[in-house]
Formats: sequence, structure tokens, C-alpha cells
Amino acid sequence: AQSVTQLDSHVSVSEGTPVLLRCNYSSSYSPSLFWYVQHPNKGLQLLLKYTSAATLVKGINGFEAEFKKSETSFHLTKPSAHMSDAAEYFCVVSRNTDKLIFGTGTRLQVFP
Amino acid sequence: AAGVIQSPRHLIKEKRETATLKCYPIPRHDTVYWYQQGPGQDPQFLISFYEKMQSDKGSIPDRFSAQQFSDYHSELNMSSLELGDSALYFCASSSPQGLGYNEQFFGPGTRLTVL
Repeated sequence: AQSVTQLDSHVSVSEGTPVLLRCNYSSSYSPSLFWYVQHPNKGLQLLLKYTSAATLVKGINGFEAEFKKSETSFHLTKPSAHMSDAAEYFCVVSRNTDKLIFGTGTRLQVFP
Repeated sequence: AAGVIQSPRHLIKEKRETATLKCYPIPRHDTVYWYQQGPGQDPQFLISFYEKMQSDKGSIPDRFSAQQFSDYHSELNMSSLELGDSALYFCASSSPQGLGYNEQFFGPGTRLTVL
């Protein structure tokens, strides 16, 4: 069975400060892991994905995530938050072409 | 580049009515997935199709059915609608299987409101 746990339901940062959104996964095999972002009343946009290649994955808009097997973690980071980063972020696990299993989401607020 | 198309974008129905949601995958994508996202919830997998055959099934109510047609578009049919069916319904598509990992590309969603 696969699952992801997003450790924070809400994260608030000031503009220009680092962002850390935490995600732990559980999988009985080597998983594919993703981060998706959803802006209010919008669809789902893929930020980045890990598919057993490099453990440090760079995505769009300056986001990156590191796959740490020993810690079963896939935390999302960004060095400097922008106001436009305010959104809901989902950590997702999958096995190749299987269905995506979403975490419960982390709402990121960015204050000026 | 062409994206996943969903129609309608918004739909309002009364309880006990029926609704049909349509999904047009990216050209040459042969796999379609349906997800339901309730208010304030994470998306939940409903059902998927590969080459017009159902490939996996999630938490889809018996009142719902879906199919994939010869042109690879898919329709989600929902009957005896309930208030709890109000949600955002996403469709995603992926490219031919057997080539390793295949990314799912999401459509903009159909927002269904049941009154």
C-alpha cells in the first residue's frame, strides 16, 4: 500500500524567506513522488517529480525537492517565497502508471 | 501544446438528476483517469481506463459509471445525484504505457454543484 503524509496543513512565510513543505511517504516498493500546486479555483499543476533518477529534483518556479529514502521523506523547498506562491500544495505518490494518491495538502500563505 | 479538455467547466444540477462529464485527453494519450475533489479535500481517484478498458477502480459510487470511447475521450455518468456529489471533478491523461513512468496531465476540472 502507498500513502503520503503532509506534516503541516498550513504554512505561513514572509515574502523573500525560505519555504519548506514537509512530506513523508510510505510505499512497499520504489515509488514515484510528485508535488502538485493548486491555486484557488484552478486546476492541478505539476511542480516536480521524482522517478528513481537523481534524488534532488528541480521543478518549476524555483521549487525543488529531495528524495531521502532513509527518512522516507520528499520535502519541498524554495529559497525565497513570492506572493504568487500562495496556494495549496499536494504531495503525491504513485507507481508508474497507477493512480495518483494525494496527501491532504498544505496551504501556503505568503505575507508581504 | 494541446492540453486535456473537460466539459462542461461548470454544472448545476438538482438532487436525483443525472449528469455527464466529458474528458478529451491529449492527442495520442491512451490512458484516462478521473478524480473527485470535494470542498477543502484532496483529490480522490475514481476510475481509470487504458485502451478503452477499465484499468483500475477507486472509491467510485455505484451510481457513477464511466467509459472510454474509440477516440479515447471519456465520459463520467452520474445518476441520482446527491448533495455530497458537489465537487470538482478532474480528468487526467497519460501517454502510452510500457515506456516506464508516464506523467499524468490534468484538465482544468468540472465543478459540479448539486442543489
